[in-house]
Amino acid sequence: QVQLEQSGPEVKKPGASVKVACKTSGYVFTSHGFSWVRRAPGQGLEWMGWISGYSGNTISPQKFQGRVTLTSDSSTSTAYMELRSLTSDDTATYYCARDNGQWLVDPWGQGTLVTVSS
Amino acid sequence: SYELTQPPSVSVSPGQTARITCSGDAFPKEFSYWYQQKPDQAPILVMYKDSVRPSGIPERFSGSSSGTTATLTISGVQAEDEADYYCQSAGTTTTFKVFGGGTKLTVL
Repeated sequence: QVQLEQSGPEVKKPGASVKVACKTSGYVFTSHGFSWVRRAPGQGLEWMGWISGYSGNTISPQKFQGRVTLTSDSSTSTAYMELRSLTSDDTATYYCARDNGQWLVDPWGQGTLVTVSS
Repeated sequence: SYELTQPPSVSVSPGQTARITCSGDAFPKEFSYWYQQKPDQAPILVMYKDSVRPSGIPERFSGSSSGTTATLTISGVQAEDEADYYCQSAGTTTTFKVFGGGTKLTVL
């Protein structure tokens, strides 16, 4: 069955960077793109960007441009999200999900809690 | 970029009908999609392309869209339906995603 397994929780200091991994199995990696979504405490879901599983092309909303880097490695069927210049506002649970171009396909990754604290 | 507006909360008694709305200029040009998120769980898709229910989602879930408002309806609400619900549509291009602010459904 399809599985998306994310890397473990992270604690970072303000100004640091974090890289979250999303290892997939059970399907052809290049058949879907990936979106990254986060949910901060007390807030709603926020879309952070998309990467093609085939070409590696990426798009992201203006809010995250220049601060987020999305990459993928088809040899290990793993997608990555790196977020730089962290502030306390980046404390959130980060999710990866396959993206078919219109909606996010079940199952998502289990989520990775990133805590930014001095 | 589009913005989607949802009511922060909806409360219903078991067996009643819950309607969660999502308003925005994305509609009717773009389809609506709905996700359910329970505490400490990843979201799951409960409706796509306005009114199509994924396999495994109970029939009490239905969706519609009219004008600039999409609606998720849960008929005969059960306690297990208590969760946060998010609408989603495309942004400036189809690949862009936009989420509504989310609606907390409370089953009284």
